[in-house]
Amino acid sequence: DQQVKQNSPSLSVQEGRISILNCDYTNSMFDYFLWYKKYPAEGPTFLISISSIKDKNEDGRFTVFLNKSAKHLSLHIVPSQPGDSAVYFCAASGVESGGGADGLTFGKGTHLIIQP
Amino acid sequence: EPEVTQTPSHQVTQMGQEVILRCVPISNHLYFYWYRQILGQKVEFLVSFYNNEISEKSEIFDDQFSVERPDGSNFTLKIRSTKLEDSAMYFCASSEAVASRSPDTQYFGPGTRLTVL
Repeated sequence: DQQVKQNSPSLSVQEGRISILNCDYTNSMFDYFLWYKKYPAEGPTFLISISSIKDKNEDGRFTVFLNKSAKHLSLHIVPSQPGDSAVYFCAASGVESGGGADGLTFGKGTHLIIQP
Repeated sequence: EPEVTQTPSHQVTQMGQEVILRCVPISNHLYFYWYRQILGQKVEFLVSFYNNEISEKSEIFDDQFSVERPDGSNFTLKIRSTKLEDSAMYFCASSEAVASRSPDTQYFGPGTRLTVL
């Protein structure tokens, strides 16, 4: 049961160009979305997040877009740099009624390779 | 910059043995989490912990697992009798606070690689 899907296992982009990573979700209760970057043998590093009340959030070279009607979000990295080469995970959570700390539901990740 | 730390980085154990994985969350954070990632699979939520009790747990978190905050800084995950399929990377995470019905960002540690032989 894949509630968060990242359909591209890998993506190769030339340095300086835009990288676009995509993520789809099926659970309409999700209302907070995050992108994490992961290098081998390290933990996920938080990059950027977006709440369902917004459709765009920007932080430096990173922008996340959310299309709630399509249950789709994307991460744009521009310009792409060699240090961006890593696995990128999309994650989602939904605040249950009554509060509490929701666990994140992760996608399988997309391996981004930045070509010099 | 404050970060989540985990020890050990790699733990090798025999099937049936108990293991304890340790985490030191970011100091002003109030919510703590454990996740695991089996090789080649996605990161999976195990349990969240707040105010000295479990807040939420997944179906993976069965009676073999337990969590504890034994002192003011450590957060531990115990697996009572390890199985081969427990071999995975285990990540601890923490978040600052979750206000009523507001989400919060979780920050992850570097992970402990558990190998069960």
